[in-house]
Amino acid sequence: QKEVEQNSGPLSVPEGAIASLNCTYSDRVSQSFFWYRQYSGKSPELIMSIYSNGDKEDGRFTAQLNKASQYVSLLIRDSQPSDSATYLCAVNDFGNEKLTFGTGTRLTIIP
Amino acid sequence: DVKVTQSSRYLVKRTGEKVFLECVQDMDHENMFWYRQDPGLGLRLIYFSYDVKMKEKGDIPEGYSVSREKKERFSLILESASTNQTSMYLCASSSTYEKLFFGSGTQLSVL
Repeated sequence: QKEVEQNSGPLSVPEGAIASLNCTYSDRVSQSFFWYRQYSGKSPELIMSIYSNGDKEDGRFTAQLNKASQYVSLLIRDSQPSDSATYLCAVNDFGNEKLTFGTGTRLTIIP
Repeated sequence: DVKVTQSSRYLVKRTGEKVFLECVQDMDHENMFWYRQDPGLGLRLIYFSYDVKMKEKGDIPEGYSVSREKKERFSLILESASTNQTSMYLCASSSTYEKLFFGSGTQLSVL
């Protein structure tokens, strides 16, 4: 069974610094990778997707994928208190509608 | 705005009761999903559906069944509720494998 692993945290980062979140996955055929953000008491929402090796940037967020090493990471630049949330990594195979989620990393941005 | 609506935010049931959790989406999505979320275990897929009257088992289907009689509605059924089914239940829908839209969740307590 596919496994997706994340450090549960909590990860504390000063406001304005770079937050780095990591995720490893066990299945080499995984093709698509996603980061969801979940605020306390709320539902997850998609913030980034990445499909190819390398970096993908969207505003303050950068997703990094290394398929050879089977890891995907999320960098948040200029961290803000509003970034405090749990970040869920999710992976699936090409054309497979079923996502496998990691357990999430709780991020706290300290003002 | 896209919307996935779950019928109840909080639900308290007795052991052995039959429980229905309802989910409705207004986005004409083909795919619908039921997850449960538990501390330390993350999001785990119970069942999903690609089309009306079609269902597939997820990773933890035991003790659950589902019904999809109409495209917009996906129901999760606990045939005989047990205490280990106390959890947050999240419904989601999608048109592709890229982005899941989640409902606000149902916190179910089985006493």
